Amino acid sequence: QVQLQESGPGLVKPSQTLSLTCTVSGGSISGGDYYWSWIRQPPGKGLEWIGYIYYSGSTYYNPSLESRVTISIDTSKNQFSLKLSSVTAADTAVYYCARSSYGLDVWGQGTTVTVSS
Amino acid sequence: EIVLTQSPGTLSLSPGERATLSCRASQSVSSSYLAWYQQKPGQAPRLLIYGASSRATGIPDRFSGSGSGTDFTLTISRLEPEDFAVYYCQQSGTSPLTFGGGTKVEIK
Repeated sequence: QVQLQESGPGLVKPSQTLSLTCTVSGGSISGGDYYWSWIRQPPGKGLEWIGYIYYSGSTYYNPSLESRVTISIDTSKNQFSLKLSSVTAADTAVYYCARSSYGLDVWGQGTTVTVSS
Repeated sequence: EIVLTQSPGTLSLSPGERATLSCRASQSVSSSYLAWYQQKPGQAPRLLIYGASSRATGIPDRFSGSGSGTDFTLTISRLEPEDFAVYYCQQSGTSPLTFGGGTKVEIK
């Protein structure tokens, strides 16, 4: 079955760029009518959708983050990635990648990113 | 942006009891694009219900979803010990995708 795994630095300095990668295994990132999402959850809080990408490269971002977010896809590596620029402490969260169809049906385990100097 | 408001914030119930969770949208949501998730501490959310009323793969039939338009409900017919968790509704019919604030189902 399809599995997702996030990877990237757990600590990012303020004003720098957060970079994460999600590796898809057990299936092709190009197969099926799926969007590939990033979602985050600040400590003790709810879920916030960051954006998603289609295998063709089409992207959709949350307007609240759009000016700082870039999501890209590498079909040859079966990976998609998140870049969030100019981070502050408010960007400290668990970051999840997920597959999106009618619902977010497959999730990675999540990776904690702390923004601190 | 569609705002999803979940109520109650916390539901205190005993195993075996019925749980009824509400999700109200600020504007109409296509039923095809309303989902429910369960999240336990330290874990990623798990999809329970999609399309407002369809159970995801492997989800027990004690979980059911209903509703349309702006009012949706998740019902757990008889709570099992493993059902005590936080539940989120989510819509994907209108960008941006949005989540409700969550309902915590705790042991009474």
